[in-house]
Amino acid sequence: GAGVSQTPSNKVTEKGKYVELRCDPISGHTALYWYRQSLGQGPEFLIYFQGTGAADDSGLPNDRFFAVRPEGSVSTLKIQRTERGDSAVYLCASSLMGTREYNEQFFGPGTRLTVL
Amino acid sequence: QKEVEQNSGPLSVPEGAIASLNCTYSDRGSQSFFWYRQYSGKSPELIMFIYSNGDKEDGRFTAQLNKASQYVSLLIRDSQPSDSATYLCAVTIPGGYNKLIFGAGTRLAVHP
Repeated sequence: GAGVSQTPSNKVTEKGKYVELRCDPISGHTALYWYRQSLGQGPEFLIYFQGTGAADDSGLPNDRFFAVRPEGSVSTLKIQRTERGDSAVYLCASSLMGTREYNEQFFGPGTRLTVL
Repeated sequence: QKEVEQNSGPLSVPEGAIASLNCTYSDRGSQSFFWYRQYSGKSPELIMFIYSNGDKEDGRFTAQLNKASQYVSLLIRDSQPSDSATYLCAVTIPGGYNKLIFGAGTRLAVHP
């Protein structure tokens, strides 16, 4: 079956612009996570959705970052007034559910964002 | 102190040898422990997970967990050049909705 997909695969933008990154999780997966990975670092948690609601957005670095998942499937990460420090690979992962029990998170291929 | 620490490497081992990758974590309440493999330019893929103290084996991979020492390791037996990648250690914490806290990763190079 299809895995997690992310679009675009690459995004180059100018400082100050607005960008949207899309994630399409595995069908039936209710839990969706966004992570950000900078060069030479591990992925860093941004936000977690269970269904349509953001259950944990503690990783969003500031109010320029926002994410939605209106129908409990596709999610969009939105970054306003982009800064050069936002340049990274943005990874999306989904799992069957985000409960105390283990559920494997499957990662998408990522979107490489470059802010010039 | 970082929540999850790994030696950045590179760890260089000859083909056929055992590669030993180590990870320490700071939150004593950490519940689940994961090893992900990440090839250059690709996304992480799960190799092993472990919950309980002791060893867990899956093919050429063995994960070892010692909660008292807050230490988790990954052993790769009969290392192959195709194992060359960055290995990411990740943990989950109580009340964390299973979000993964990653280390920076250890780069493994297996040379023929």
